[in-house]
Amino acid sequence: QQQVRQSPQSLTVWEGETAILNCSYEDSTFDYFPWYWQFPRESPALLIAIRPVSNKKEDGRFTIFFNKREKKLSLHITDSQPGDSATYFCAANSGGSNYKLTFGKGTLLTVTP
Amino acid sequence: DAGVTQTPRHEVAEKGQTIILKCEPVSGHNDLFWYRQTKIQGLELLSYFRSKSLMEDGGAFKDRFKAEMLNSSFSTLKIQPTEPKDSAVYLCASSLRETLYFGSGTRLTVL
Repeated sequence: QQQVRQSPQSLTVWEGETAILNCSYEDSTFDYFPWYWQFPRESPALLIAIRPVSNKKEDGRFTIFFNKREKKLSLHITDSQPGDSATYFCAANSGGSNYKLTFGKGTLLTVTP
Repeated sequence: DAGVTQTPRHEVAEKGQTIILKCEPVSGHNDLFWYRQTKIQGLELLSYFRSKSLMEDGGAFKDRFKAEMLNSSFSTLKIQPTEPKDSAVYLCASSLRETLYFGSGTRLTVL
């Protein structure tokens, strides 16, 4: 059973548009949700993260919106740039001192100039 | 500071061989993770160590996969015997708290 689900699998937007990447989860004990991005031929790296005490986290052009009741979150990338083209992974863990992350299968974002 | 170091970068094995992948975590990090990455399954946890103690062993990977932490600065992942379905990128990551820092990975091809 997949604990963290992402949609769509792939997304293409024009430069300057807003890209919206979706994530949902099953486990109610999850309380830390990072997004990692991975560029071709590189390894995943942390982009931005949120805890359920907040329903929004912003970092420049990247914003996470979180809906605890529906167990859903989304990553919005405003003014998308070709350099944002990457695979984006939503992940989760149950907090405390266990830092194991459960990852979704990723969304491949392509930003076309 | 050096990041997570993985060797080798590429490995080609014949079916049935034993292979050992190596990982050096970031100095001072207490937690070490082994993940397998494929296009179909994404990132799957193989093993999770804290201060050399095994915290979690990926259930589906127990029979042929064995990770060890020889000391706080060195870990290995042994796959024995290898099968073609093991072809994937194997990622090692370390952390001090919630943020995982990944190595460059080992791309394994099993013929």
